[in-house]
Amino acid sequence: GENVEQHPSTLSVQEGDSAVIKCTYSDSASNYFPWYKQELGKGPQLIIDIRSNVGEKKDQRIAVTLNKTAKHFSLHITETQPEDSAVYFCAPTSGGTSYGKLTFGQGTILTVHP
Amino acid sequence: KAGVTQTPRYLIKTRGQQVTLSCSPISGHRSVSWYQQTPGQGLQFLFEYFSETQRNKGNFPGRFSGRQFSNSRSEMNVSTLELGDSALYLCASSGTPLGGGEKLFFGSGTQLSVL
Repeated sequence: GENVEQHPSTLSVQEGDSAVIKCTYSDSASNYFPWYKQELGKGPQLIIDIRSNVGEKKDQRIAVTLNKTAKHFSLHITETQPEDSAVYFCAPTSGGTSYGKLTFGQGTILTVHP
Repeated sequence: KAGVTQTPRYLIKTRGQQVTLSCSPISGHRSVSWYQQTPGQGLQFLFEYFSETQRNKGNFPGRFSGRQFSNSRSEMNVSTLELGDSALYLCASSGTPLGGGEKLFFGSGTQLSVL
């Protein structure tokens, strides 16, 4: 099965700083790389994703970069705001009929201080 | 478009009892997955249903079961509850694999406490 590791487990930044969370995976067949954000009292929400044929994707203040050779992908948040405070999960998958069966990283607690 | 709805939101049970949790997916979604979330183990996959058939199963004991109805609504059942079953149970739905199936939409979960 897929082994997924996220680093760091906690991240504390000042408002306006950048934050980077890295996800390392083991399954070379993985071809879809999403990031989910979970706020207190809610379920995870997909915030950005990337496919294996793309190296980088950006959506306003968030971006995801992929290094398939090294088997890791990262979430980048620029100009952080207090509302970015949440737990972030990566969940690389090989897709097909396994899209619903995700192996999540252990999560990164991001705290943005005003 | 309404999101994924899970009921009940909170549940308190005692050891040995059984419990049934319900999930209504986003209209048109045919896949429903269930996850258990605990502080110690994180998010763990339980099972996935697609068109009323179990398509994938995680590493949980047989006390955990589920089903999906023709309208894609799903239920999961836990029998003979143990203290360790206390967790947030999350349901997620997605479209068919041919279109957007990789994007999971989660409900807010059912918080189960076993006393």
